[in-house]
Amino acid sequence: EMQLVESGGGLTQPGRSLRLSCTGSGFTFGAFAIYWVRQTPGKGLEWVGVIRSNANGGTTEYGASVMGRSSLSRDDSKNTAFLQVNSLRTEDTAVYYCVARRLSGSKLEGSWGQGTLVTVSS
Amino acid sequence: DTQMTQSPSTLSASVGDSVSITCRASQNIHSWLAWYQQKPGKAPKLLIYKASILESGVPSRFSGSGSGTEFTLTISSLQPDDFATYFCQQYNTYSWTFGQGTKVEFK
Repeated sequence: EMQLVESGGGLTQPGRSLRLSCTGSGFTFGAFAIYWVRQTPGKGLEWVGVIRSNANGGTTEYGASVMGRSSLSRDDSKNTAFLQVNSLRTEDTAVYYCVARRLSGSKLEGSWGQGTLVTVSS
Repeated sequence: DTQMTQSPSTLSASVGDSVSITCRASQNIHSWLAWYQQKPGKAPKLLIYKASILESGVPSRFSGSGSGTEFTLTISSLQPDDFATYFCQQYNTYSWTFGQGTKVEFK
């Protein structure tokens, strides 16, 4: 069974940095792109970024709300992906999900993690 | 970015009812649309992808239709477990966007 587990969330202060981890099991982690999505009651579900599989170049893309202050990386030997967000703002407060995804023809494969809550407050 | 407009935001229904939720995209997303169900404190659960393909293990009372810019999720004969929030999501581009959500509640 595909599983993803996020970790690294918690309470932090504005201006600080946070690094979230996403560890997969039960599937070939390196074959999947890893997306990050965050959710707040006010703004709903928001795409944060994606790191493609190394077979697809391992390239990254970022959403407007975190561009320029975030970094995505992955260590397929450890079945783990990372999201670092710097210069945190109160509006970064959200539940952060990682999502493993790949398209095999028309079939959408993958899974969501259970989410990790990040609270940015002074 | 492709904007996704979902309606209604809330839907009141009873067990056994058939209900439909609509999602409109601001540009042509072909059939690259997914529907999710979410319950409080849980991650979204994939129900349908490519607009109409039922995810494995999802009951057949869920169905999806549409292409281009207009899409519909239909739940025929609502069951108690179906009272939840539903989201559409486009994956035509890597920069996913989501609908605002539809809460299906007891009438």
